[in-house]
Amino acid sequence: DQQVKQNSPSLSVQEGRISILNCDYTNSMFDYFLWYKKYPAEGPTFLISISSIKDKNEDGRFTVFLNKSAKHLSLHIVPSQPGDSAVYFCAVPEGGGKLTFGTGTRLTIIP
Amino acid sequence: NAGVTQTPKFQVLKTGQSMTLQCAQDMNHEYMSWYRQDPGMGLRLIHYSVGAGITDQGEVPNGYNVSRSTTEDFPLRLLSAAPSQTSVYFCASSHGLAGGTETQYFGPGTRLLVL
Repeated sequence: DQQVKQNSPSLSVQEGRISILNCDYTNSMFDYFLWYKKYPAEGPTFLISISSIKDKNEDGRFTVFLNKSAKHLSLHIVPSQPGDSAVYFCAVPEGGGKLTFGTGTRLTIIP
Repeated sequence: NAGVTQTPKFQVLKTGQSMTLQCAQDMNHEYMSWYRQDPGMGLRLIHYSVGAGITDQGEVPNGYNVSRSTTEDFPLRLLSAAPSQTSVYFCASSHGLAGGTETQYFGPGTRLLVL
């Protein structure tokens, strides 16, 4: 039973517009969330995180929103750039260096 | 700083063969882990370690063995390769000082094909 879900396998967005990637989770005890970005033939790299005591965290063009009541988080990228084309994973740390990942969303930015 | 390194980059095995995927980090991180990535399934945890001499199983440990004799190295052994183990394998490490919420650093991956 998947605890972290990304229901959109792919997303295409015009350059300059906003990209919104979604993630749902089932365990209300989760209190920290991360987004990783992955280019082909490379390992994932950390992008942004949010603690459950916040509902928003912003870092440049990237903002993550957390809706605890809906068990939902979203990553907003604005404006979207061609270099943002990658696979994005949401993930939950579970102690001991363990991460539970969503299935990923492949974002394609159309020039 | 090389970060997290993995060797080999690509390997082809025949069913039943064994091999070791190497992982090393030079950041003095306590936590290390192995994941596999399969299409449509994200990354799934195979084994993890919170320090030298300490290892534990993740979500999909069957068919894999690990040991952690040094802080730097965390090899993953396939005992008898099966086609179901065809995947991309990632090693990761983190310093372990923030209870698991710290950033994890991933290696570039090993692509394994089992025929």
